[in-house]
Amino acid sequence: EAGVAQSPRYKIIEKRQSVAFWCNPISGHATLYWYQQILGQGPKLLIQFQNNGVVDDSQLPKDRFSAERLKGVDSTLKIQPAKLEDSAVYLCASSPRDGTYNEQFFGPGTRLTVL
Amino acid sequence: EDQVTQSPEALRLQEGESSSLNCSYTVSGLRGLFWYRQDPGKGPEFLFTLYSAGEEKEKERLKATLTKKESFLHITAPKPEDSATYLCAVYGNKLVFGAGTILRVKS
Repeated sequence: EAGVAQSPRYKIIEKRQSVAFWCNPISGHATLYWYQQILGQGPKLLIQFQNNGVVDDSQLPKDRFSAERLKGVDSTLKIQPAKLEDSAVYLCASSPRDGTYNEQFFGPGTRLTVL
Repeated sequence: EDQVTQSPEALRLQEGESSSLNCSYTVSGLRGLFWYRQDPGKGPEFLFTLYSAGEEKEKERLKATLTKKESFLHITAPKPEDSATYLCAVYGNKLVFGAGTILRVKS
């Protein structure tokens, strides 16, 4: 079974530029999550999708971050414009179950550096 | 506000030296406590879910336990391949991860 795929793996941009990350979850997984992990900290949930609907985006900085899940499968996370404090690893995870956060499968992450 | 504190921040063990990692939490209405393992440059890997005080789960050299205020991850006779960051997360009103414990096991 293929795992969660993310791309790119690394991205370096200047502040005020835009950037987008892509995630392909495990086939058949209805729930998809995006996390931000700053160095030395645990992951912080940004947004949760159930199929193609948003379940929780309470911690997503909506003035600069946006996310969508295409046809309930792939997802993109965008930052526009980026700030220095956005430097982090962005993790995507998927789960076959709904609403309980149980047994999430994580991708390798995208490491973003904002200069 | 839901909070998770993990201790110690870092732990060095000799191969075979058993120990425990702690996850203390404050949450209104615990709906689940999760343990994950994270290797450098990789995403977290799911280990356990615990739902109620007194619950225990085991997997190979790892055993997770839960009380009303904290969870322990016991590592019995660790091997170098157990070296990783161990993350604890709680689900109450929202999902909150701790900062993790960095474990190094030397042969």
